[in-house]
Amino acid sequence: SQKIEQNSEALNIQEGKTATLTCNYTNYSPAYLQWYRQDPGRGPVFLLLIRENEKEKRKERLKVTFDTTLKQSLFHITASQPADSATYLCALDIEGNNRLAFGKGNQVVVIP
Amino acid sequence: GAVVSQHPSWVICKSGTSVKIECRSLDFQATTMFWYRQFPKQSLMLMATSNEGSKATYEQGVEKDKFLINHASLTLSTLTVTSAHPEDSSFYICSALLARRNTGELFFGEGSRLTVL
Repeated sequence: SQKIEQNSEALNIQEGKTATLTCNYTNYSPAYLQWYRQDPGRGPVFLLLIRENEKEKRKERLKVTFDTTLKQSLFHITASQPADSATYLCALDIEGNNRLAFGKGNQVVVIP
Repeated sequence: GAVVSQHPSWVICKSGTSVKIECRSLDFQATTMFWYRQFPKQSLMLMATSNEGSKATYEQGVEKDKFLINHASLTLSTLTVTSAHPEDSSFYICSALLARRNTGELFFGEGSRLTVL
């Protein structure tokens, strides 16, 4: 069956350090993978999209890698700040028509 | 950036009643909108794809007669939960695809929390 797996345990990290989150998937062949941020009781906010032919993408303090052989994406927040505390969702496109399948998300808590 | 607005942000209703949730793209046209449902601590589950001027496409296991979707204009899609029951209580979120940009980026609304008593 198709699965998108993100760590269910919250990641507690000291301010200024790099937070690294993992997204693993099985039985998908996504053309691209996206990362979203979701705050409690709010809708997701788009952060980054990385295509299957891209190894790495950066946006300000964020970096995403995509390994289609390992079927894994890593999401990094460098120089983390308390305002980065949120749940981060990994999403894959389904059959290339903009329909997305989401992971459960991984909560990040940045400690001042 | 593109803004998607949902209304109402929360609603409480009695079992057996119908509830309508609106999703509007405020500053762009959206030929395609998506409806998701999210239970606590769970992932967003895609319910249906709403296309302007045509019938919605529902995901497997989603009852089309239970969740009525209408996409009457390029800026508005509505989801009606008919004869709601307590198990329909959830966080409903819509998203819109920017028509003139094909990046796959979706813009999400703030969500509508439905509680059925």
